[in-house]
Amino acid sequence: AQSVTQPDIHITVSEGASLELRCNYSYGATPYLFWYVQSPGQGLQLLLKYFSGDTLVQGIKGFEAEFKRSQSSFNLRKPSVHWSDAAEYFCAVGTPAGNTPLVFGKGTRLSVIA
Amino acid sequence: NAGVMQNPRHLVRRRGQEARLRCSPMKGHSHVYWYRQLPEEGLKFMVYLQKENIIDESGMPKERFSAEFPKEGPSILRIQQVVRGDSAAYFCASSPRTSGFTDTQYFGPGTRLTVL
Repeated sequence: AQSVTQPDIHITVSEGASLELRCNYSYGATPYLFWYVQSPGQGLQLLLKYFSGDTLVQGIKGFEAEFKRSQSSFNLRKPSVHWSDAAEYFCAVGTPAGNTPLVFGKGTRLSVIA
Repeated sequence: NAGVMQNPRHLVRRRGQEARLRCSPMKGHSHVYWYRQLPEEGLKFMVYLQKENIIDESGMPKERFSAEFPKEGPSILRIQQVVRGDSAAYFCASSPRTSGFTDTQYFGPGTRLTVL
């Protein structure tokens, strides 16, 4: 069964600084990988996903993520953080067959300071 | 196009009562997924339904929990005889196609259940 780990529970960055949120997965083959964002009191919104092909994936709101098979990682990055990016970020892993539920990490809470 | 709608947004129940959570998928979506989010935890899959069918209920507790998605009307997650451990946020997501779990899922705002 697949699993996902987000090592950082809480990260604080200054507005305008760069951001990298870590995600490590465990799966025997190439997984399907997702990043979701959850604003306070809201549901989850898909930022980006990786299925195959180019390992650098562009998403919405200026986010990108890079799939690194050798490191079993799918880290989320943004070059310049805005205060509105403060939220909870979840990495999720699925299987190519699409017949098993997505497994979500426990999330990383991002705080943005002036 | 309205997004996924869930109601109520907040629900308070006393131990032993029943909780009914409703989810209306996005227009044109025929697949619904229910998740539970406990404090400090990620989302845990509960059940995946298509109209009038349960596709995967591997994440549903064996007792007290049930789900349906009738031909007409919203999907319902029902929790009988609630206990304090059922207090959580329950999210519904919907998708349009038949690629299963890797379809892009669109999430509702959730129902926050508090059991007193």
